[in-house]
Amino acid sequence: KAGVTQTPRYLIKTRGQQVTLSCSPISGHRSVSWYQQTPGQGLQFLFEYFSETQRNKGNFPGRFSGRQFSNSRSEMNVSTLELGDSALYLCASSLRDSGANVLTFGAGSRLTVL
Amino acid sequence: KQEVTQIPAALSVPEGENLVLNCSFTDSAIYNLQWFRQDPGKGLTSLLLIQSSQREQTSGRLNASLDKSSGRSTLYIAASQPGDSATYLCAVGGANNLFFGTGTRLTVIP
Repeated sequence: KAGVTQTPRYLIKTRGQQVTLSCSPISGHRSVSWYQQTPGQGLQFLFEYFSETQRNKGNFPGRFSGRQFSNSRSEMNVSTLELGDSALYLCASSLRDSGANVLTFGAGSRLTVL
Repeated sequence: KQEVTQIPAALSVPEGENLVLNCSFTDSAIYNLQWFRQDPGKGLTSLLLIQSSQREQTSGRLNASLDKSSGRSTLYIAASQPGDSATYLCAVGGANNLFFGTGTRLTVIP
């Protein structure tokens, strides 16, 4: 069974640009969560989508947004990129909500902002 | 806010040793606790999930315990192998998301 697929795997942007990352969950999984991983802050929760609705949101500025489509695929967008947005962005899927269920993570999208 | 701490931050052991990784958390009102493994530049692989009503889980050479009252979990790795070298993260499941520790980087020396 296919795992969680994230695209692109690597990308380089410059300050001020915007970026869109994609996540395709495991078939049948309806919850998609996004996390940012940096050496200084570790793994931090961005947001979770379930059945096309954002259910939870972490403590990130409004430049970070996301959405989920009817097939459960999710995208996250970061506008007006800053150097500090350089990170590994991980998405995870689960059958239901992200807290009480096993999450399966994708390999991540590594964003470098120059 | 839940805070999760992992000690030590890094650990090197010779092959064949048994070892214990520690995880502590501040809020005992948890749904579950998960241990993950992360290889360099890769995503996370779930190793063990302990529900809040459980005390331990085992998978092969791995055993994880949970003591909610004291806010602690341990991951025991028996007979370590070089392939076990990775960063190990614990994550506490709240109602809505996971709170991650900063990880323990394990190196098993052949």
